[in-house]
Amino acid sequence: AQKITQTQPGMFVQEKEAVTLDCTYDTSDPSYGLFWYKQPSSGEMIFLIYQGSYDQQNATEGRYSLNFQKARKSANLVISASQLGDSAMYFCAMREGFSNFNKFYFGSGTKLNVKP
Amino acid sequence: GAGVSQSPRYKVAKRGQDVALRCDPISGHVSLFWYQQALGQGPEFLTYFQNEAQLDKSGLPSDRFFAERPEGSVSTLKIQRTQQEDSAVYLCASSRLGSGLVETQYFGPGTRLLVL
Repeated sequence: AQKITQTQPGMFVQEKEAVTLDCTYDTSDPSYGLFWYKQPSSGEMIFLIYQGSYDQQNATEGRYSLNFQKARKSANLVISASQLGDSAMYFCAMREGFSNFNKFYFGSGTKLNVKP
Repeated sequence: GAGVSQSPRYKVAKRGQDVALRCDPISGHVSLFWYQQALGQGPEFLTYFQNEAQLDKSGLPSDRFFAERPEGSVSTLKIQRTQQEDSAVYLCASSRLGSGLVETQYFGPGTRLLVL
């Protein structure tokens, strides 16, 4: 089974609007961390936000927030007030706390296009 | 340096040729990771170093792939007798500590390998 599933290959959003990028994960490890990365066309992966499995509150970092629904095993990224510079690939990733600790599992990504 | 650097940025190799890809992690970072990213896919884990020790190489696709980090800083990923299926972007990432679920990985720009 896939550890990380991103079901939206591509998304469009109007500039200044909010957009949600979906991510579901699969693990039996009670301790895990979820990450979102942005990959512009230049290729470098840029860390955006982190959510731990034991965190009580949803993570927020500026315009980025993570809608963490543990029972549903989803960790959707919400970008508020989209900007043209947000156009990029977005990857959801997971690290398991006890098993396979050294690995990051990545989803297949969502390509976000912000329209002016 | 300020970030993770990789060289070369682009490499074209003839099938059967050996290649060596270099990664300079952020100074002082204990952990170093190599990933392979095929076109249109998310990165896939190859191997992990903690200082000079290669603690996990379970993601290396074949014995043609070899990685080292002899002094615990710079790392080299070597691919022997390259095949066309080796064509991908090879990403290197480092993180500050050797453990910690929340440890963020910082990525380099990648080396784009094309095997003809």
